[in-house]
Amino acid sequence: AQSVAQPEDQVNVAEGNPLTVKCTYSVSGNPYLFWYVQYPNRGLQFLLKYITGDNLVKGSYGFEAEFNKSQTSFHLKKPSALVSDSALYFCAVRDGGRDDKIIFGKGTRLHILP
Amino acid sequence: GAGVSQSPSNKVTEKGKDVELRCDPISGHTALYWYRQSLGQGLEFLIYFQGNSAPDKSGLPSDRFSAERTGGSVSTLTIQRTQQEDSAVYLCASSLGSLAASETQYFGPGTRLLVL
Repeated sequence: AQSVAQPEDQVNVAEGNPLTVKCTYSVSGNPYLFWYVQYPNRGLQFLLKYITGDNLVKGSYGFEAEFNKSQTSFHLKKPSALVSDSALYFCAVRDGGRDDKIIFGKGTRLHILP
Repeated sequence: GAGVSQSPSNKVTEKGKDVELRCDPISGHTALYWYRQSLGQGLEFLIYFQGNSAPDKSGLPSDRFSAERTGGSVSTLTIQRTQQEDSAVYLCASSLGSLAASETQYFGPGTRLLVL
């Protein structure tokens, strides 16, 4: 069975600084990896995904994530944080090639300090 | 186009009562998921429907929880004899469901359940 871990409950970053939100995963096959964001009082929104190809994936709102197979990681990054990036971020994984469910991490709350 | 819709948006019930939560997925999406998000917690997987296959019920926390999907479209999550610990936001998501396609999920706004 697949699993995903987000080791940080909360990340604080000053506005304008680069940010990283960490995610590690475990699957038996090839991973499909996703990042979703949940803004206050709003539903979950898709940010980006890795299925195959380039390890660096670019997504919405200037976010990107790097797939690292040897470290089984898929960290979310942004070069310059905005206060409006403050939200709850979820990493998710699916075992590619299998008709299987998608599992979410517990989420990381990102605070961007003005 | 229309996204995933859920009803009701809010539900307050008394302990011991049964509740039904509804999800209308995006038209043409064969995969449908239910998750639970408790205050301060992440998304807890509950159940997954894929086409005509038997649903994956491995995330249902107890036999008080059940779900069905009629005609491959609308889904209903039923909680019997509700308990206070059932209070949470219940999220529904749908996706195209093709093994050949990447599985981007589209989430509904959720149903906020409060059990008194």
